[in-house]
Amino acid sequence: KAGVTQTPRYLIKTRGQQVTLSCSPISGHRSVSWYQQTPGQGLQFLFEYFSETQRNKGNFPGRFSGRQFSNSRSEMNVSTLELGDSALYLCASSLAPGTGPSPLHFGNGTRLTVT
Amino acid sequence: ELKVEQNPLFLSMQEGKNYTIYCNYSTTSDRLYWYRQDPGKSLESLFVLLSNGAVKQEGRLMASLDTKARLSTLHITAAVHDLSATYFCAVDMGADKLIFGTGTRLQVFP
Repeated sequence: KAGVTQTPRYLIKTRGQQVTLSCSPISGHRSVSWYQQTPGQGLQFLFEYFSETQRNKGNFPGRFSGRQFSNSRSEMNVSTLELGDSALYLCASSLAPGTGPSPLHFGNGTRLTVT
Repeated sequence: ELKVEQNPLFLSMQEGKNYTIYCNYSTTSDRLYWYRQDPGKSLESLFVLLSNGAVKQEGRLMASLDTKARLSTLHITAAVHDLSATYFCAVDMGADKLIFGTGTRLQVFP
């Protein structure tokens, strides 16, 4: 069974640009969440989607947005990039609610560097 | 504001020794996870702890949860080099929102 797939693995962007990251969950998983990992702030929750609806959102500015498609694949977008957005962005998937407790399964991440 | 604190932040231990990593959190939650992260890699799920008094063991690692004390521990028995990694606890706030601890970087040396 394939794991969570994130593309691209690496990105280099300049300040002011925007970027879109993609995530394909494990087959059968319908919930997708996104996390940002930086040396200074650690792992922080960005948002979570289920059935194409954002159910929960972390404390990030509106420049960070996301969406989920009907096949459960998800994208996140960061507009007007700032140097501080340089981070490893991790996507995680889980089974739909009500199917029992299970851990989040994380992808390998997209490492974004803003110059 | 929910805080999840791990200690120690860094642990250097000799092979064969035992040690415990502590995870304290500041709000009510009945679900806690432990993850492992190798350098440059993603997060690997180790344990899911679902209720007060839960204890899980896998190999040389054992995790426990005390929801009343808001404390989870990850105990390492007879450490080996392959356990060198960063370990995170994470408190489940619902809807797949996890609040992660600061992480404990473990180095096991001969």
